[in-house]
Amino acid sequence: DIQMTQSPSSLSASIGDRVTITCRASESITDYLNWYQQKPGKAPRLLVFGASRLQSGVPSRFSGSGSETDFTLTISGLLPEDFATYYCQQSYGTSYTFGQGTKLEIK
Amino acid sequence: QVELQESGPGLIKPSETLSLTCTVSGGSISGFFWNWIRQAPGKGLEWIGYMYYSGSTNYNPSLDSRVTISIDTSKNQFSLELKSVTAADTGVYFCARVAETDYYYYMDVWGKGTTVTVSS
Repeated sequence: DIQMTQSPSSLSASIGDRVTITCRASESITDYLNWYQQKPGKAPRLLVFGASRLQSGVPSRFSGSGSETDFTLTISGLLPEDFATYYCQQSYGTSYTFGQGTKLEIK
Repeated sequence: QVELQESGPGLIKPSETLSLTCTVSGGSISGFFWNWIRQAPGKGLEWIGYMYYSGSTNYNPSLDSRVTISIDTSKNQFSLELKSVTAADTGVYFCARVAETDYYYYMDVWGKGTTVTVSS
């Protein structure tokens, strides 16, 4: 199985900050990497697919990059609505796996 | 737009079989992969498995021996069965559609989730 490891597990930041979340795969997944945002009590929301492709309707302050085993999600200019938990997910193999999540909190 | 709605019992007893259904509205079930994902209280997301509309399936290896996903194209529904449940199966269960663009696969539409508690 492909394991996905996110860092950090939690992160404190202020409105307007630029933050980066990292996701590492246990083996190469080329660019079959997706990012989701989840708020408490809600279903996850797709932000980025194919490592860097922004889903329709997602603000441009979100961006994804990376390939092979190392990926990042960057949020430039945090807004109050961005405080949530973020998950990466690989779709390279026939089985999918999620990272453990990164909780982004207000400082 | 496409919407998904999970349904099923909120409380089941240990050793019983969990059965959930996801109803797809606003679009066809054909042409897509359909997933189940769960989330234990306070924990992260765990992929359970998916079924292609034509019938092929793939399950999380850690749950493979207990999981069955099926699809009813005539009702635009797909279902999850999880056998021999324990308290560790308690959580929120989500259904989700997998879409494809340029061979990239991603979960673009999700149900709101349904809470399942395993308790005697």
